[in-house]
Amino acid sequence: SAVISQKPSRDICQRGTSLTIQCQVDSQVTMMFWYRQQPGQSLTLIATANQGSEATYESGFVIDKFPISRPNLTFSTLTVSNLSPEDSSIYLCSVVGGYNSPLHFGNGTRLTVT
Amino acid sequence: DAKTTQPPSMDCAEGRAANLPCNHSTISGNEYVYWYRQIHSQGPQYIIHGLKNNETNEMASLIITEDRKSSTLILPHATLRDTAVYYCIVRVALTGGGNKLTFGTGTQLKVEL
Repeated sequence: SAVISQKPSRDICQRGTSLTIQCQVDSQVTMMFWYRQQPGQSLTLIATANQGSEATYESGFVIDKFPISRPNLTFSTLTVSNLSPEDSSIYLCSVVGGYNSPLHFGNGTRLTVT
Repeated sequence: DAKTTQPPSMDCAEGRAANLPCNHSTISGNEYVYWYRQIHSQGPQYIIHGLKNNETNEMASLIITEDRKSSTLILPHATLRDTAVYYCIVRVALTGGGNKLTFGTGTQLKVEL
């Protein structure tokens, strides 16, 4: 299975600033996904990051707030912009290698906005 | 996506089998059932998946009913380290391949001595 490294593992940010989260995979993968997990809640898909094209966002998530880059098949970044306390969550990167392959997750980035 | 229904919580004695049920009555013929678990403060961990046949691996067994409207994840000998939230998910396949997963609220399994 793919090994996924997320950085930073946690951060405390001030309101109005932005945080960029990196996701590095040890092998080339076709699909990368970004999820959010708010305190005490289940996971919610933010967007699908496709290499060589724009990310596909889920309902309720917009590119201006959550810009995503996917420069190659092993790396992606998620930026959470104009932070507010409501953005305090765990953000998780996940990858899949191909059709019917299991989805694997990183250990997430715990963001606290003060 | 097919919706799944799981009990919010379950308890299990250490060493006993933990049987976690999941209802997915609106599942489509080409949708798989995936199980993941999330131990506190970690990312979700893949356990097992299946289409219509029962599946077994080193972690667990998956029993899918013949009509595919429900399934059961079995941890044969639960340990304290199996305490986690268990998610039953029906996969939606994206065009061109890939797995988009929609997570429900899961079952909090507590394994006790």
